[in-house]
Amino acid sequence: TQLLEQSPQFLSIQEGENLTVYCNSSSVFSSLQWYRQEPGEGPVLLVTVVTGGEVKKLKRLTFQFGDARKDSSLHITAAQPGDTGLYLCAGERETSGSRLTFGEGTQLTVNP
Amino acid sequence: NAGVTQTPKFRVLKTGQSMTLLCAQDMNHEYMYWYRQDPGMGLRLIHYSVGEGTTAKGEVPDGYNVSRLKKQNFLLGLESAAPSQTSVYFCASSSYKARYSNQPQHFGDGTRLSIL
Repeated sequence: TQLLEQSPQFLSIQEGENLTVYCNSSSVFSSLQWYRQEPGEGPVLLVTVVTGGEVKKLKRLTFQFGDARKDSSLHITAAQPGDTGLYLCAGERETSGSRLTFGEGTQLTVNP
Repeated sequence: NAGVTQTPKFRVLKTGQSMTLLCAQDMNHEYMYWYRQDPGMGLRLIHYSVGEGTTAKGEVPDGYNVSRLKKQNFLLGLESAAPSQTSVYFCASSSYKARYSNQPQHFGDGTRLSIL
């Protein structure tokens, strides 16, 4: 059973479209991190959200942490081909120490 | 600035062979981790270490062993490789944190391992 469920698993859109990726759980997390991974490389941190209801923006990317700290979303406005990659959410629970639990990932393809 | 370096980058093994994957970090991080990444399953934690000389099991530890003799190095061993261990292996490190300070993990570029 996956502790963090990401949806959709695959997403193929045209340049300029908007999209949202969801990361859901029945467990409470002390923080939620979003990573982006490109082919042949390791994941790279995009953002960390720590407070319920928190919203963070990174250029055209908007990240939100649910009020109950059980879910998060990533919204991309006017997607560009350079946004193509695997997006991973990862949660840290209060009882897990330094360990992260990763979602399955969302493979995003933005077509020119 | 190298960050986290994994060697080798690619390896093909026969069933039953053994090998060691090396991870080195130059950021003086206390915590280090080994993950495996399989299609549709995200990253799953194999073993981790919170400091030199200490290791602990993660989510999928069976068939693997680890050692952290030096703070900067974390080794992952496969004693008798099986086809089910075909995967991409990632090492990561993070700094010591006060509780809930949410330190990011820094990843290497992975080792692609095929077991025939």
